[in-house]
Amino acid sequence: KAGVTQTPRYLIKTRGQQVTLSCSPISGHRSVSWYQQTPGQGLQFLFEYFSETQRNKGNFPGRFSGRQFSNSRSEMNVSTLELGDSALYLCASSPEVPTGELFFGEGSRLTVL
Amino acid sequence: QKEVEQNSGPLSVPEGAIASLNCTYSDRVSQSFFWYRQYSGKSPELIMSIYSNGDKEDGRFTAQLNKASQYVSLLIRDSQPSDSATYLCAVNREGSQGNLIFGKGTKLSVKP
Repeated sequence: KAGVTQTPRYLIKTRGQQVTLSCSPISGHRSVSWYQQTPGQGLQFLFEYFSETQRNKGNFPGRFSGRQFSNSRSEMNVSTLELGDSALYLCASSPEVPTGELFFGEGSRLTVL
Repeated sequence: QKEVEQNSGPLSVPEGAIASLNCTYSDRVSQSFFWYRQYSGKSPELIMSIYSNGDKEDGRFTAQLNKASQYVSLLIRDSQPSDSATYLCAVNREGSQGNLIFGKGTKLSVKP
């Protein structure tokens, strides 16, 4: 069974630009969560989606948004990028009933210059 | 007060020893607790989950939960160099299973 796939793996943007990150969950998993990981703050929760509905949102500004499609694939978007948005963005999926037992993708490493 | 606290380490143990990793959490209503392992440059992977007070064993790993003390621990017996990684403690937020609060992790180094 294929794992969680995230694209792109690496990207470099400049301040003010926007970025879209994609996540394909494990087949059969309907819950997708997004996390931001930085050396200073560690792993911080961004969003959780289940069956195309946002169930929860973390304490991030409105520049961070996401969505989930009918095939459970998810995207997150960050607009008006700031230097502080440089981070590893991790997507995680979990089975039919969200359990907190997350399966993480390899992440998308965003560098904002 | 930080919601999930862990000693950042590094924790250094000799090969074959028991490594003890500790975690405290502030939200008394938390119900689910997890240990994730993250190798350098890799993404976190789940190694243990625990939902009720007491011990849960899985191979060389034992998770311990004490809800009264708001304390979770992970013991790694017969530590191997391949166990060298950062161990992340995570706690669920009430009413949301996919929204975990992570500690900043304890870096474990197992010396041959």
